Amino acid sequence: DGGITQSPKYLFRKEGQNVTLSCEQNLNHDAMYWYRQDPGQGLRLIYYSQIVNDFQKGDIAEGYSVSREKKESFPLTVTSAQKNPTAFYLCASSGQGGGQETQYFGPGTRLLVL
Amino acid sequence: GENVEQHPSTLSVQEGDSAVIKCTYSDSASNYFPWYKQELGKRPQLIIDIRSNVGEKKDQRIAVTLNKTAKHFSLHITETQPEDSAVYFCAASMTNFGNEKLTFGTGTRLTIIP
Repeated sequence: DGGITQSPKYLFRKEGQNVTLSCEQNLNHDAMYWYRQDPGQGLRLIYYSQIVNDFQKGDIAEGYSVSREKKESFPLTVTSAQKNPTAFYLCASSGQGGGQETQYFGPGTRLLVL
Repeated sequence: GENVEQHPSTLSVQEGDSAVIKCTYSDSASNYFPWYKQELGKRPQLIIDIRSNVGEKKDQRIAVTLNKTAKHFSLHITETQPEDSAVYFCAASMTNFGNEKLTFGTGTRLTIIP
């Protein structure tokens, strides 16, 4: 999991502002994922991408957007439409099929609202 | 979609005793079941996983059992140590090529009492 990086570690958002969280991996993984973790809760899937230039909504996609222009990168934008964005955001990546489905997580970005 | 329930939400055990965490899943097509350990403020890290063609898997003090008929799987930690204190998450997915979404349980906070 050392091959997945997220930045920044902390991010502050003002009301009405869009912010973008970075996720980069050098594991040559095809699939990448974004999760949201609220205090005392599990991980909920926001978006995922199994191949470049393609992505699907997860369980809580409203108020978020993503892009997958490069295999190594899967940035997440938290838009002003997301009314309760304060959370710990985790990016993950994995291979596909054939025993490669283990997801490895980045160190996370903690988003706080000013 | 898949639904994963995890119990208990908190668990305290005396150092040296065993800890057991249980999860149930709803989708009989799920065939991959990882367990993650998350220390405070850190990323989840895979500690063990099991696939549906296996009933039990061990790795030193950690074991996982799977009952496909009952659709439940359990994490067993023996000879617990203070460094086992963390939040543990179970997850389930159906690993067909092109569909490797993980559904997570809500987590168990394990505290080891010295």
